[in-house]
Amino acid sequence: AQKITQTQPGMFVQEKEAVTLDCTYDTSDQSYGLFWYKQPSSGEMIFLIYQGSYDEQNATEGRYSLNFQKARKSANLVISASQLGDSAMYFCAMRVHVRSGGSNYKLTFGKGTLLTVNP
Amino acid sequence: NAGVTQTPKFRVLKTGQSMTLLCAQDMNHEYMYWYRQDPGMGLRLIHYSVGEGTTAKGEVPDGYNVSRLKKQNFLLGLESAAPSQTSVYFCASRTRQGASQPQHFGDGTRLSIL
Repeated sequence: AQKITQTQPGMFVQEKEAVTLDCTYDTSDQSYGLFWYKQPSSGEMIFLIYQGSYDEQNATEGRYSLNFQKARKSANLVISASQLGDSAMYFCAMRVHVRSGGSNYKLTFGKGTLLTVNP
Repeated sequence: NAGVTQTPKFRVLKTGQSMTLLCAQDMNHEYMYWYRQDPGMGLRLIHYSVGEGTTAKGEVPDGYNVSRLKKQNFLLGLESAAPSQTSVYFCASRTRQGASQPQHFGDGTRLSIL
């Protein structure tokens, strides 16, 4: 069964420093994808970045990058130059295809990492 | 840009009452989903829909029903609310154009069952 593990319940980082949030996954599928979402204290879920299993390059989106190590089954999120507004819960999620076919999938989420950025 | 809108944002129910949560999206997305989020956990899929008039069960469907009579709306119903259904409910939608496309979430509905 597909599973996402986020081993860091909480992380602290100083403003302007970089931080890595860990995510390991378990799947027997050859084709899969990893998403990272941010959930601020206001509660909404914000999409940050995506990495496909066949993507040759690590994904980057602004200050976010994904350190994808396929052999180790890890997809760690790196946030560079942390800002106070980065304080939030971060979820790693894996897409799992559903039987309805096409490109439909469901997301399997990890338990999240609460990031606190200190001034 | 409205995106995905959930109504209501908060609700308190008594055990045994019924209610319907409404999700509306204005992005013309084919796929829609309902998740629940419990403390210390990630989101879990309740039901989903791949198009108007179609629905399917997710991981935790018991106690919930859904309907998608219009493409832009996805309704989640609780026929007889139970305290175990106290949770934050998220609706999401996405285009069917490619598996790399993310699901877009609403702001959530915080539901308490007394």
